[in-house]
Amino acid sequence: DVKVTQSSRYLVKRTGEKVFLECVQDMDHENMFWYRQDPGLGLRLIYFSYDVKMKEKGDIPEGYSVSREKKERFSLILESASTNQTSMYLCASLYSGQGVQETQYFGPGTRLLVL
Amino acid sequence: SQKIEQNSEALNIQEGKTATLTCNYTNYSPAYLQWYRQDPGRGPVFLLLIRENEKEKRKERLKVTFDTTLKQSLFHITASQPADSATYLCALGTGGFKTIFGAGTRLFVKA
Repeated sequence: DVKVTQSSRYLVKRTGEKVFLECVQDMDHENMFWYRQDPGLGLRLIYFSYDVKMKEKGDIPEGYSVSREKKERFSLILESASTNQTSMYLCASLYSGQGVQETQYFGPGTRLLVL
Repeated sequence: SQKIEQNSEALNIQEGKTATLTCNYTNYSPAYLQWYRQDPGRGPVFLLLIRENEKEKRKERLKVTFDTTLKQSLFHITASQPADSATYLCALGTGGFKTIFGAGTRLFVKA
């Protein structure tokens, strides 16, 4: 079974702090994603990465950056946390190959509260 | 504008009945559509995928239909059980790596 883990389940930070959210997957997937999930809005894509050191902006990249130094690890960075970044953050990974279903495997999520 | 809509109101049904959830979309031409289950405080878990050239897909008590003319997918859970209570997300694959998710519909199955 694919396993996607996230470094924290719950996190409380202060406005202006730098925040690191880590995600690790154990199935050698090329593609990894960071979403945020807010009530009534569904999952919104922040950034994704299709290979080591490669990244693409999603729909809401402002205020975030990412890092992918190793294939199994994808980090989301909030350079200066703000209260409107309080949310549930979900990491996902995806294998891209012929004949494989386009299924994303999600981590358990990190609930971030910015005070 | 592009939209994907799921019923925001919770669906309450009695155990043993069939639950039917709806996903409507506009201004997309999805290559495939997926359904995920999400329990409170957890990440979504993949359930089923149906491609644009397929009308129906089944897996155990689950059935998904896909009507590209109506731009709608229906997700059915037959013989529903309290353990089926969760939020169900619809997701469109438009090609490439990007997937567009709906906000989900909360299902409650009463014993």
